[in-house]
Amino acid sequence: QVQLQESGPGLVKPSETLSLTCTVSGGSISGYYWSWIRQPPGKGLEWIGYIYYSGSTNYNPSLKSRLTISVDRSKNQFSLKLTSVTAADTAVYYCARMVYGDYKGSFDNWGQGTLVTVSS
Amino acid sequence: DIQMTQSPSSLSASLGDRVTITCRASQNIDNFLSWYQQKPGKAPKLLIYAASSLQSGVPSRFSGSGSGTDFTLTISSLQPEDLATYYCQQSYNTPRTFGQGTKVEIK
Repeated sequence: QVQLQESGPGLVKPSETLSLTCTVSGGSISGYYWSWIRQPPGKGLEWIGYIYYSGSTNYNPSLKSRLTISVDRSKNQFSLKLTSVTAADTAVYYCARMVYGDYKGSFDNWGQGTLVTVSS
Repeated sequence: DIQMTQSPSSLSASLGDRVTITCRASQNIDNFLSWYQQKPGKAPKLLIYAASSLQSGVPSRFSGSGSGTDFTLTISSLQPEDLATYYCQQSYNTPRTFGQGTKVEIK
């Protein structure tokens, strides 16, 4: 069973860059799409973007100007960078695997999530 | 963007009750619809994919139906461990979008 684990700073200052990494274990990063999803405290889920193992990306237009998602196949990891953060970016950030075929693009495996707070 | 609207936003039901949550898409999404369960303080968990297929390991009391714009998640007999918020999500196109969630409480 594949497992995903987010890592990165829990506190980021306004206007700085939020950086997170998701490490995939128990399976290869190859052949799948990998996504970031966030959830502000007490609110619903927001899709951030995804990356294919080959490196092609698709971003939420609401974040596209500030967002970079990258993959490192040698480390079985993918990463998120969000620039110029504000308090509105405070959220639990999840990484997840997205599966096509019969699964029609569902997120079948999720990390436990990591809370990132934007505050000075 | 495709808007996903769930109803109700919350519900309270007794153990053993049949519970139904609906999700409506703002345009046709065929069967590109998933349902997730999120327990307090935990990550979402996939319950149903392709509108009606049960994810491996998920109890058979959960079922999904629908196609096009209208979808339903049903819990046939509510159990204590079903206390959670349930989300629908479309994967027909990007940006991927989720419903606002339905919080299920036990009476």
